[in-house]
Amino acid sequence: DAKTTQPTSMDCAEGRAANLPCNHSTISGNEYVYWYRQIHSQGPQYIIHGLKNNETNEMASLIITEDRKSSTLILPHATLRDTAVYYCIVRETGTASKLTFGTGTRLQVTL
Amino acid sequence: DAGVTQSPTHLIKTRGQHVTLRCSPISGHKSVSWYQQVLGQGPQFIFQYYEKEERGRGNFPDRFSARQFPNYSSELNVNALLLGDSALYLCASSLRGAATEAFFGQGTRLTVV
Repeated sequence: DAKTTQPTSMDCAEGRAANLPCNHSTISGNEYVYWYRQIHSQGPQYIIHGLKNNETNEMASLIITEDRKSSTLILPHATLRDTAVYYCIVRETGTASKLTFGTGTRLQVTL
Repeated sequence: DAGVTQSPTHLIKTRGQHVTLRCSPISGHKSVSWYQQVLGQGPQFIFQYYEKEERGRGNFPDRFSARQFPNYSSELNVNALLLGDSALYLCASSLRGAATEAFFGQGTRLTVV
């Protein structure tokens, strides 16, 4: 699986959009970008995934650059409950469900 | 519907002992994976089981073993516990072996003293 690079921490004001970047410059053509988050003392929670097109669901939007070497997770209206560690993961689908977590980005949403 | 359930939630063991952790997947899910999360790090993959067969193994010593039962629940066993085995052990279930989305339990916090 390709390696990902994320900032260690970010802050965001409540009600504003949180934009979390991820670099995956060695991503291959059949690898997807996944985002999970982990709220303190809980198990990781799936957010969204995509291959090359932008994706949106009820939780977030995922913007993938045309060369697929980076992506951005967007939480459109961050709340205090979005404070968590966000993990960007690259892996193939069609293979075993192994997820390779890095250290993630610690997002702190403040009043 | 119940999510992924793990037991126990917390456990304290002494060095050299063994431990068994249990996981019940979401109903209908046939794949179970185990992860170890040491404080301050992301989860690290240990095992994946699908249809009662091991489908993947991470870089962990042979002291770690697991199995999946006919009802798709799973056990993780760790023998000869070391202080470094202290961690949050997470179980994740998914519909298939190669499913796109994994659902995690709340984990078992193991402390080895």
